[in-house]
Amino acid sequence: DVKVTQSSRYLVKRTGEKVFLECVQDMDHENMFWYRQDPGLGLRLIYFSYDVKMKEKGDIPEGYSVSREKKERFSLILESASTNQTSMYLCASSHLDRENTGELFFGEGSRLTVL
Amino acid sequence: LAKTTQPISMDSYEGQEVNITCSHNNIATNDYITWYQQFPSQGPRFIIQGYKTKVTNEVASLFIPADRKSSTLSLPRVSLSDTAVYYCLVGDSGAAGNKLTFGGGTRVLVKP
Repeated sequence: DVKVTQSSRYLVKRTGEKVFLECVQDMDHENMFWYRQDPGLGLRLIYFSYDVKMKEKGDIPEGYSVSREKKERFSLILESASTNQTSMYLCASSHLDRENTGELFFGEGSRLTVL
Repeated sequence: LAKTTQPISMDSYEGQEVNITCSHNNIATNDYITWYQQFPSQGPRFIIQGYKTKVTNEVASLFIPADRKSSTLSLPRVSLSDTAVYYCLVGDSGAAGNKLTFGGGTRVLVKP
């Protein structure tokens, strides 16, 4: 069974702390994505990656960075957490095979609270 | 980049058919239309995907007109457990470097 695992379901951090959100997939997918989800705003794309060491900005990259050192792992980094980054963060992955048409598989989400 | 527009919410009753329409006027030739379902405190999960005409699986149908500028997800005979948020996604997730942006989603409430 396919699996996308996010390292923490719930985190509480203080303003100014550095925060790492880890995501691991076991499907050998090329594409990986980080979204944040806030009430009334749906899913907003932060960053994505289609290969190791490759990264592309999404719609709201400000205040975030990412790292993809291995194919199966995609990390989201908040260099200095702020209260407006309190949110649910969702990681997803998909295959790059055209005939597969690339269904997105999501993790369970990481709910981050910044105090 | 295809932008999608969906109704914010809709209510229904058990046993009824629910139809949710998504508008995507600037859909590209290589884009597919995919619908996801999300329950509280969970990640979205795939429901159905299509490129044109009609697609049906065990849980839903997807209707796509010839111009592909909109699509309609149809949930037959809904039950209380179908209460969720439904997202329309238009894009080519099988290609490298493609930004996949979701719309705001439609919150469906099924009443007894």
